[in-house]
Amino acid sequence: EAQVTQNPRYLITVTGKKLTVTCSQNMNHEYMSWYRQDPGLGLRQIYYSMNVEVTDKGDVPEGYKVSRKEKRNFPLILESPSPNQTSLYFCASSYSRGHGGNEKLFFGSGTQLSVL
Amino acid sequence: EDKVVQSPLSLVVHEGDTVTLNCSYEVTNFRSLLWYKQEKKAPTFLFMLTSSGIEKKSGRLSSILDKKELFSILNITATQTGDSAIYLCAVQNRDDKIIFGKGTRLHILP
Repeated sequence: EAQVTQNPRYLITVTGKKLTVTCSQNMNHEYMSWYRQDPGLGLRQIYYSMNVEVTDKGDVPEGYKVSRKEKRNFPLILESPSPNQTSLYFCASSYSRGHGGNEKLFFGSGTQLSVL
Repeated sequence: EDKVVQSPLSLVVHEGDTVTLNCSYEVTNFRSLLWYKQEKKAPTFLFMLTSSGIEKKSGRLSSILDKKELFSILNITATQTGDSAIYLCAVQNRDDKIIFGKGTRLHILP
């Protein structure tokens, strides 16, 4: 089944304790992206990646890191989480845009993160 | 600054009513506009629009884009309680940036 898999679904942690949210897709998509969703603010892009070893900042990259060592995986790293990073996080993927690919995003199920 | 504005932010109607959701945008180098439905968790794709005036339709849902006036509408006819969700509008530009609106929260009363 074609899907984007995020883990964990829920995470409660404390300020400053490094964490990683994993994202994996099985559709051979070139494009992957991370979003956070907050009440009243909608979905905001954190980082995105056009392909392996290519990553770019979105609108709210501060406090986050990503890597794209393999095509299928795009982990989100919070080196020193803070309470303002409490949010619902989504990973998404799609085919490449540069080759006229389908721009429809496939979303993971989300990770609800609480930083105390 | 690129932006996508959806209206209304929230809407409550009775089952059977028809609703129109709005999405206006200001984006440099527009490529496409997409609509998503978000129920419990992950948004799911509804429509992608790239050309003005061509209606996309799926069952009771339809959408159209006006590239001159920079807006799109999503229509839902004969609404059902299962249509209750947040509807998200997103615009993509030719630099691969995707900007989402804040969404319209639709609640259908039985």
